[in-house]
Order: sequence, then C-alpha cells, then structure tokens
Amino acid sequence: DAGVIQSPRHEVTEMGQEVTLRCKPISGHNSLFWYRQTMMRGLELLIYFNNNVPIDDSGMPEDRFSAKMPNASFSTLKIQPSEPRDSAVYFCASSLNGGNTDTQYFGPGTRLTVL
Amino acid sequence: AQSVTQLGSHVSVSEGALVLLRCNYSSSVPPYLFWYVQYPNQGLQLLLKYTSAATLVKGINGFEAEFKKSETSFHLTKPSAHMSDAAEYFCAVYGNNRLAFGKGNQVVVIP
Repeated sequence: DAGVIQSPRHEVTEMGQEVTLRCKPISGHNSLFWYRQTMMRGLELLIYFNNNVPIDDSGMPEDRFSAKMPNASFSTLKIQPSEPRDSAVYFCASSLNGGNTDTQYFGPGTRLTVL
Repeated sequence: AQSVTQLGSHVSVSEGALVLLRCNYSSSVPPYLFWYVQYPNQGLQLLLKYTSAATLVKGINGFEAEFKKSETSFHLTKPSAHMSDAAEYFCAVYGNNRLAFGKGNQVVVIP
C-alpha cells in the first residue's frame, strides 16, 4: 500500500494568495483527518471526515480555512486568503473507521510558508 | 475533556542507556492511549497503543509502555537507546471523536 499521499510537500506563497493542500487516504479507510503542526501550538486537529462527511470542524481556525472530501479517495484543505501565521506543517491522516482504538496513518505532510 | 501531559520537551540519552518518556493522562472514562513517533521531515507513525487488553504494551522498535491507572500514567520505555531512536515522540489519548496529542518529547541520542 502506498500509504497516505499528500501534495505538495512544500509550498511557499505570498500573503493573500489562495493555497490548496491535497490528500489521498489509504484505500479502504473511511475516516480522514487534517492536522496542523507548529512549534507554538503543537499538533492540532483541524477537521475530521467520516465516510466523506465532515463530522467535527471545531478546530478550523477561521472562515479562511475550508476542507472538502468529494469522494473516498481525495480531500482538500484550502486557505483563502493565506496569512503568515498560517505557516505550519499540515498533515493528513486516515484510519479505518475513526474509532477509539483505530490507528491513524499519517502522510508525510505539507510544509507551508506564507511570506 | 481527555488530555495528556508530557514533561520535558527535550530528552538526551546516551547510546545504550534506558529511554524513559513520561506521559500522564486525564480522562473521565477508561482511556485509550497511544504513542507515536515522528522522524525528521516525516509524518507520525504508531509505536504502540493501549486498548485495555493488557497493561504492558509492546510496540515496534523495542519500545514498550505500561498503563498504570493508579498513577494515571502511560510511560514509554526502551532498555537500550540506539542512534536511530532520535526523533520526536508524542503521547495521545482518544476522546470526543479525536486524538488529543501531548506537546511531544524531542529525543537526542548521544554516541
């Protein structure tokens, strides 16, 4: 299995630009998670999908952030407009069913730098 | 809400020495606990997890953790550190449909 795939691996953009991060979960996994990792705040859950439906988006910082999962094999996280404080590593993870003992499998992350 | 606490952001250990990373949890229900490892420029990878089947849990790469309810702890150990153990380690607890991660321990292995 190829594991969770994220693209791009690195993104450098200027403040105000739109940024789209992409994720392909492991085939057969029904749950997908978007996380953000920073030195100051550590690892934060942004949003969680189950069977392509957003279940918990309470971690999405503000309206500039949006996430979609149009089908079981693809999800996007969009930031519009981007700001320097959005600079972070964004991880996508997937698990079988999002259950309390399920292992989450993480992608390699996208390192976002907003100038 | 469930949470975990990891003390000491940086931990230095000599090659061949014991690795001990501490994790204390707070949970109003029987917890499900995890340890993940993150190597440089990579995503997190599961080391081991406690799902109430056994209090001593063995994971990959020679790591193990013991669940102690009386101490609300789930400390991670490895008898003999190897250079390849240099990484960041995260403890996590499941609750409210999510994993709550600790701040992490950056482990440095000294040759």
